[in-house]
Amino acid sequence: QKEVEQNSGPLSVPEGAIASLNCTYSDRGSQSFFWYRQYSGKSPELIMSIYSNGDKEDGRFTAQLNKASQYVSLLIRDSQPSDSATYLCAPFRTGDSNYQLIWGAGTKLIIKP
Amino acid sequence: DVKVTQSSRYLVKRTGEKVFLECVQDMDHENMFWYRQDPGLGLRLIYFSYDVKMKEKGDIPEGYSVSREKKERFSLILESASTNQTSMYLCASSTGGAKGNTIYFGEGSWLTVV
Repeated sequence: QKEVEQNSGPLSVPEGAIASLNCTYSDRGSQSFFWYRQYSGKSPELIMSIYSNGDKEDGRFTAQLNKASQYVSLLIRDSQPSDSATYLCAPFRTGDSNYQLIWGAGTKLIIKP
Repeated sequence: DVKVTQSSRYLVKRTGEKVFLECVQDMDHENMFWYRQDPGLGLRLIYFSYDVKMKEKGDIPEGYSVSREKKERFSLILESASTNQTSMYLCASSTGGAKGNTIYFGEGSWLTVV
């Protein structure tokens, strides 16, 4: 079992609709969770981080965390073609080191005009 | 803005050559990282460093070494390049912290070993 599971996609969503990206993780000790966006040929850039159970909103983006289910998601409202990218989920694993982001392989999102 | 600069964007090297990838960050971050990214495999951590002259192995350190002589600079060394090291290499930095802090990436170095 991978430490971080993401559907590789591609996930195709019509412009203006809600895109829902999901991520499950195996380490129950993870305290923080990060979503990064990566355009083709570019490096990842941070979209959001979430630390507590529940929802966290930032503009068109909402991160949702359920630690009991070991599940984190990212919702993108009013999807735009510029949102087409690969989205990486990264739980922060605690333990014998304090800087271990564990990366999912990413979900490729395509927004259709 | 945080800036992480990778000096070489595109390199073509021959099998057996020694390869140096240089990375500099300008935000006085404690932590620096080297990842490689391959299609379908995601980001894989090669080495990281949390202080000058300190280094820790990541998930795939074989065939690589690193050097951190100054806080702002973290170098990745391929002692004897092989074709299976053809990949995109990403340098990153972050501040310390038990809850995790944002990692900032460089633009990436595309290495082809022929």
